[in-house]
Amino acid sequence: ETGVTQTPRHLVMGMTNKKSLKCEQHLGHNAMYWYKQSAKKPLELMFVYSLEERVENNSVPSRFSPECPNSSHLFLHLHTLQPEDSALYLCASSQGSGANRAPNYGYTFGSGTRLTVV
Amino acid sequence: GEDVEQSLFLSVREGDSSVINCTYTDSSSTYLYWYKQEPGAGLQLLTYIFSNMDMKQDQRLTVLLNKKDKHLSLRIADTQTGDSAIYFCADLPANRDDKIIFGKGTRLHILP
Repeated sequence: ETGVTQTPRHLVMGMTNKKSLKCEQHLGHNAMYWYKQSAKKPLELMFVYSLEERVENNSVPSRFSPECPNSSHLFLHLHTLQPEDSALYLCASSQGSGANRAPNYGYTFGSGTRLTVV
Repeated sequence: GEDVEQSLFLSVREGDSSVINCTYTDSSSTYLYWYKQEPGAGLQLLTYIFSNMDMKQDQRLTVLLNKKDKHLSLRIADTQTGDSAIYFCADLPANRDDKIIFGKGTRLHILP
């Protein structure tokens, strides 16, 4: 257990379903990230939240909708997905920014949610 | 722009040393990292090195940094079957809002 918990671990959904992925961290970190990892592409950064505000959205389709209600929780709401959206979705968190960055600054990743769209 | 490059595959015999190489482009990189991803799992931070260091050793792991050539390597001594994983090189450029840039990962395969 890394301190970042993702649920569910596995999810199979139809193209017309609506589901949500959940990420939780109790490390006291103030930034959280969603990554997509598929077999055909490297790690793709999807969304970045810092202090609960979205600071980056890397041109992700609107069928993915993130939500960060507080610094410990991050959601990814899914609707009308396509089969090519099947992938491992990874959540990560980090602490500090700029001059306040910790000396050993790095991301802590969750174990991921394996999503299959049928 | 920032780019982190590493070879996609490496095969090593059990007991030998593994050396995974990485190059990066941003000369302002402050930290460089190695992450390990085992099958079905997320990325686990293995080790990191600050840009003003040229070597860091941690048990079986040795990280070498050549800042002039922007080259980072990870050496795993006495490679074991449990080392079979994907290894991601990553760097943290300055002035990039704390965003870590990841390479595509090197899949390490252990031969018996």
